Amino acid sequence: AQSVTQLGSHVSVSEGALVLLRCNYSSSVPPYLFWYVQYPNQGLQLLLKYTSAATLVKGINGFEAEFKKSETSFHLTKPSAHMSDAAEYFCAVRENQGAQKLVFGQGTRLTINP
Amino acid sequence: GAVVSQHPSWVICKSGTSVKIECRSLDFQATTMFWYRQFPKQSLMLMATSNEGSKATYEQGVEKDKFLINHASLTLSTLTVTSAHPEDSSFYICSAGTPQGQGYGYTFGSGTRLTVV
Repeated sequence: AQSVTQLGSHVSVSEGALVLLRCNYSSSVPPYLFWYVQYPNQGLQLLLKYTSAATLVKGINGFEAEFKKSETSFHLTKPSAHMSDAAEYFCAVRENQGAQKLVFGQGTRLTINP
Repeated sequence: GAVVSQHPSWVICKSGTSVKIECRSLDFQATTMFWYRQFPKQSLMLMATSNEGSKATYEQGVEKDKFLINHASLTLSTLTVTSAHPEDSSFYICSAGTPQGQGYGYTFGSGTRLTVV
């Protein structure tokens, strides 16, 4: 079964600094991977997804992620943090069988310091 | 893009009453709908998966008689919390997908904050 681990439940960076949110996956087959952002009391918004095409995936709001099979990683980055990036971020992998539901990581809360 | 409209955004109900949450796909047909529950500062926990015209499949530990899911059409799925109790207070989110999880992928509703008093 697929699984996702997000390293660091809380990440704090200064405004303008690099954002790096870590995600490692476990999958016996090529995975479909997703990053979502959640603002307080809201649903999830898709940032980007990897579907076995280009390994460097660009998403919305300046975020991107690189799929590294050798490291089983799909880390999310943004070169320069903005105050509006403060939110909860979830990495997810799609199951390949059945209803193909998403399996979520534990989430990482990103705080931006002025 | 794909939009899933979820209502209500928040609801307060008395213990013992039932509450219905609706999720509508506005511009696509949602063959599969996923229902999640989220506790404060935690990740999403899948409760059940529903397919249009079929009975929902519940995750282990989720009471199907308490959380009734109906997916009668390709654009509407509902979650009814029956005989609600304070421990049912939570944030509930729906998500719609296509049969193979392709195309639009997964689109999430805006969530419903349920408070049982």
